[in-house]
Amino acid sequence: AQSVTQLGSHVSVSEGALVLLRCNYSSSVPPYLFWYVQYPNQGLQLLLKYTSAATLVKGINGFEAEFKKSETSFHLTKPSAHMSDAAEYFCAVTGDTGRRALTFGSGTRLQVQP
Amino acid sequence: EPEVTQTPSHQVTQMGQEVILRCVPISNHLYFYWYRQILGQKVEFLVSFYNNEISEKSEIFDDQFSVERPDGSNFTLKIRSTKLEDSAMYFCASSEAPRSSYEQYFGPGTRLTVT
Repeated sequence: AQSVTQLGSHVSVSEGALVLLRCNYSSSVPPYLFWYVQYPNQGLQLLLKYTSAATLVKGINGFEAEFKKSETSFHLTKPSAHMSDAAEYFCAVTGDTGRRALTFGSGTRLQVQP
Repeated sequence: EPEVTQTPSHQVTQMGQEVILRCVPISNHLYFYWYRQILGQKVEFLVSFYNNEISEKSEIFDDQFSVERPDGSNFTLKIRSTKLEDSAMYFCASSEAPRSSYEQYFGPGTRLTVT
């Protein structure tokens, strides 16, 4: 079985500050990990993915995430927050042999203060 | 850029009625999925579909649900007799065939309201 835990349902940062959204996963097989962003009243947009290549993954909009097997983590970071980053962020995992279904975390709502 | 589309964007139905949610996956994708998100909760997997059959389904996907690829472009989710608890945002997604490409591309969703 797989699971994802996102610590902090709400995160608030100031514009220009570092963004850190936490994701820890549980998987009995090597995982594939994803971050998706959901803007209000929109669908899920893929930000970045880890599929067993480089452990530091760069995505769109200046976001990146680092896969740390020893910590079972895949935290999302951005050096400098922008107002347009305000959205809900979901971490997801798959990777069980033969399975493709994504298991999502409960999401973190990022608020960016001016 | 190719994208997954879904219709309608919002569907209101009465309890007990049948609804069909429609999706057009990205044209060269071969895996199709339905997920749902009840308001305030996490996104949950319902079903995946490949080669004209269900390849995987969750406990949520019981006998009241069915999926179909009626032609070469559409992928549908049917709920036979809707319940109040079926009210949710339903997302369709698609992905390419190669096992190394697990990323899924999501549509904008259909908000289903059961009254």
